Amino acid sequence: DAGVTQSPTHLIKTRGQQVTLRCSPISGHKSVSWYQQVLGQGPQFIFQYYEKEERGRGNFPDRFSARQFPNYSSELNVNALLLGDSALYLCASSRAGGFGHEQFFGPGTRLTVL
Amino acid sequence: SQQGEEDPQALSIQEGENATMNCSYKTSINNLQWYRQNSGRGLVHLILIRSNEREKHSGRLRVTLDTSKKSSSLLITASRAADTASYFCATDVNSGNTPLVFGKGTRLSVIA
Repeated sequence: DAGVTQSPTHLIKTRGQQVTLRCSPISGHKSVSWYQQVLGQGPQFIFQYYEKEERGRGNFPDRFSARQFPNYSSELNVNALLLGDSALYLCASSRAGGFGHEQFFGPGTRLTVL
Repeated sequence: SQQGEEDPQALSIQEGENATMNCSYKTSINNLQWYRQNSGRGLVHLILIRSNEREKHSGRLRVTLDTSKKSSSLLITASRAADTASYFCATDVNSGNTPLVFGKGTRLSVIA
């Protein structure tokens, strides 16, 4: 079975621009979570969606938004990009909502903001 | 703030040696998970240990959990060059309804 896929792999944007990152979960997984990982740090939780509804939101500004589609794929949008948004953005899927079980991570999207 | 903190921050060993990494956390947990990350790519789940478990094994991996000390350890036996990666612990509180909180990780280098 295919794992979690993310696109694009790399992205370069300038300050003030907007970006959309995409994630396709493992087949049969209904939950998608997004994480931001800054260099040298562990992943930090941004959002979780389960059955197309937001189930959790981390401590990120309103410039960050996400949604989940009927096929359970998901998009993460970031508006008005700042230099500090440069990071690896990771998507993880799981069969059920919540966090008490294994999360399957995609390879990530490397975002660079100039 | 970080719930889990790994120790040491970096570890370098020879192939065939054992590697031990520790994780300390601050609040009571539902479970604790260990993940591996190669070269800034996606994380791979290694082991999940629940708060009522004390030890768990998976192949060359052994995880212990001491809830009284709020700490966990990950032991990799007979390490290989392919084990070179960053290792993160992630804690889950509130019966799985609270997002996982990751530490900063331990960077393990296994020298052939």
